[in-house]
Amino acid sequence: AQKVTQAQTEISVVEKEDVTLDCVYETRDTTYYLFWYKQPPSGELVFLIRRNSFDEQNEISGRYSWNFQKSTSSFNFTITASQVVDSAVYFCALSVGYGGSQGNLIFGKGTKLSVKP
Amino acid sequence: DADVTQTPRNRITKTGKRIMLECSQTKGHDRMYWYRQDPGLGLQLIYYSFDVKDINKGEISDGYSVSRQAQAKFSLSLESAIPNQTALYFCATSSRDSITDTQYFGPGTRLTVL
Repeated sequence: AQKVTQAQTEISVVEKEDVTLDCVYETRDTTYYLFWYKQPPSGELVFLIRRNSFDEQNEISGRYSWNFQKSTSSFNFTITASQVVDSAVYFCALSVGYGGSQGNLIFGKGTKLSVKP
Repeated sequence: DADVTQTPRNRITKTGKRIMLECSQTKGHDRMYWYRQDPGLGLQLIYYSFDVKDINKGEISDGYSVSRQAQAKFSLSLESAIPNQTALYFCATSSRDSITDTQYFGPGTRLTVL
C-alpha cells in the first residue's frame, strides 16, 4: 500500500524565516513520482514540482528548494526567506507506476503554513 | 482563460437532491479525475478516466457516478445527496503522453448539502 505522511499539521513563522515542510512516503514500487502542491486561501491547487524515483537530485527554484532522499523515503520542501504570500496549505503527493499508470495521486493531509509579517 | 474549469463554483442543495458537477478542460489531456477534499484529510480520489471509454472507481466512489461525455468533459453526479458529501470537489487532468503524468487541477466546487 502507498502512503504519504506530513507530520506537521500547522507551522507558523515570521516573515524572512526559513521553513522546511516534511514529507515521508511509503511505497514498494520502484517507479514512482513525488509532487508538491500549494493551496492558497483562495482554494485552488497549484502544482509546484514533481520528482521521479530515478532522480535524487535536489532542486532549487528561487526561494523554493526540495530535498529528495530515497534512503529515508523523504521529499522535504524548504522555503527560504518566507513571505506572507507563502501562507497556504502545502500538499505532498505520490503517484506510482510508469507514467502514473495506477491512476491516482495519494495525498498527504497537508501542512498549513502561516507567515506573519 | 483557465485550462480546467469547473461549474458551478459553489452549490447549496438539500438532502436527497440529485446534483451534477461539471468539468471542462482545454489542455488537450486524455486523463481526467475527480477528487474530494475534506478539512484535515487531504484529497481523496472518487473516479478517474484514462479516456472516453475507460472509467475507473477511486477509493471513495460510493454515492457518486461519473460521465465522460467527450475527451474534454467529465461530470460527477450525486444521485441522492447526503450531508456528509459536503466538501470541496476538484477536477484534475493529465496527459498520457507525459511520462510524469502531472495532474493539473481546476478551481474547485464547494458543495454544501443541508
